[in-house]
Amino acid sequence: LAKTTQPISMDSYEGQEVNITCSHNNIATNDYITWYQQFPSQGPRFIIQGYKTKVTNEVASLFIPADRKSSTLSLPRVSLSDTAVYYCLVGDRTGGFKTIFGAGTRLFVKA
Amino acid sequence: DTGVSQDPRHKITKRGQNVTFRCDPISEHNRLYWYRQTLGQGPEFLTYFQNEAQLEKSRLLSDRFSAERPKGSFSTLEIQRTEQGDSAMYLCASSLNAPAGARSNSPLHFGNGTRLTVT
Repeated sequence: LAKTTQPISMDSYEGQEVNITCSHNNIATNDYITWYQQFPSQGPRFIIQGYKTKVTNEVASLFIPADRKSSTLSLPRVSLSDTAVYYCLVGDRTGGFKTIFGAGTRLFVKA
Repeated sequence: DTGVSQDPRHKITKRGQNVTFRCDPISEHNRLYWYRQTLGQGPEFLTYFQNEAQLEKSRLLSDRFSAERPKGSFSTLEIQRTEQGDSAMYLCASSLNAPAGARSNSPLHFGNGTRLTVT
């Protein structure tokens, strides 16, 4: 199972763009990259998933370089409500459900 | 889509007692997963079902833990003879296992968990 490395925490201000990078050097050919968001006392919530290049939805963008050894989650114009823990997972089509989530990246958005 | 529902949200029990949690997945999802999460850590995989079959169990799942998914719908997770180390958030998730070769991906949909406190 591919291991991922993310920053432990990040700070930002409202209205800024936030980029969280995840390293996954041992990603396999069939692996997808999936990001989840988790608020306190709630389960993780799916944000975005991609395989290569760029994926964009109404919430975020996911940039994946050609070698797929890293990926960057981009949150445009964050608000206070984006303060949460963000997990990067690498695995099969279901998002690597057996993958160790790790501690994720704690994003603090300040006013 | 009513989402994944877990019951109860909170459970306080004394050491040595048995507890049972319930998870109702999204109705059309054929896969169901159980995770455990402790403070400051990400969720840890415990076990998963495809329909009613329990296909895999983590080494984290001791003999005191048992999970069922009768009829492939809701699932229960029982912990017997609880220990203080069992205190954690127990999360359930579900997904749709798309046919092989399908382009669509099916990420996990989590419930809001059951927080267990063993005193």
